Amino acid sequence: DADVTQTPRNRITKTGKRIMLECSQTKGHDRMYWYRQDPGLGLRLIYYSFDVKDINKGEISDGYSVSRQAQAKFSLSLESAIPNQTALYFCATSDPSNNEQFFGPGTRLTVL
Amino acid sequence: GQQVMQIPQYQHVQEGEDFTTYCNSSTTLSNIQWYKQRPGGHPVFLIQLVKSGEVKKQKRLTFQFGEAKKNSSLHITATQTTDVGTYFCAPMGSARQLTFGSGTQLTVLP
Repeated sequence: DADVTQTPRNRITKTGKRIMLECSQTKGHDRMYWYRQDPGLGLRLIYYSFDVKDINKGEISDGYSVSRQAQAKFSLSLESAIPNQTALYFCATSDPSNNEQFFGPGTRLTVL
Repeated sequence: GQQVMQIPQYQHVQEGEDFTTYCNSSTTLSNIQWYKQRPGGHPVFLIQLVKSGEVKKQKRLTFQFGEAKKNSSLHITATQTTDVGTYFCAPMGSARQLTFGSGTQLTVLP
């Protein structure tokens, strides 16, 4: 969905490096989410934010941090990347009227 | 979050056959959403079910929410190659966050 964009789309990095994944949206939604997807495990929630001053841990927040710089921007950081953080990362926003979530195209991260 | 078991994990069908995926929970769900993810793509919202016993249809897709709100299903009639992808159920928690099931990967053989 072009309304939710993620950068970069692909990233290869080394163990111990700091990585930031960025998400921007033009839908005007207050709620934003970060998920990771691993084969056979579906999507797991890392962090979510219901407005600029609200940050909440999800199911698997250890090793990750987030920043909500503005209503439209929500960044995910890996302070010191490790190989088991190799995954596909999705950002999403949600429509408060019906809770529908809109996903970005994903960032494929490989940690060597 | 709300935990669900989604089955089967994989399903191969011949084009024209029907397909069903199931989500089961040990606890009562407030509501449940369904998403489809095409190969190489991102999840796309299909529907939200809220009421006990609710049945909703979208063309060849039929969604059901159990009477006890502990299970849900997605049924596709006469599958087509465009139905290929992974289907996820996702119950909503008290903070309006979603917990995704592990998904059912559907392959449609022409």
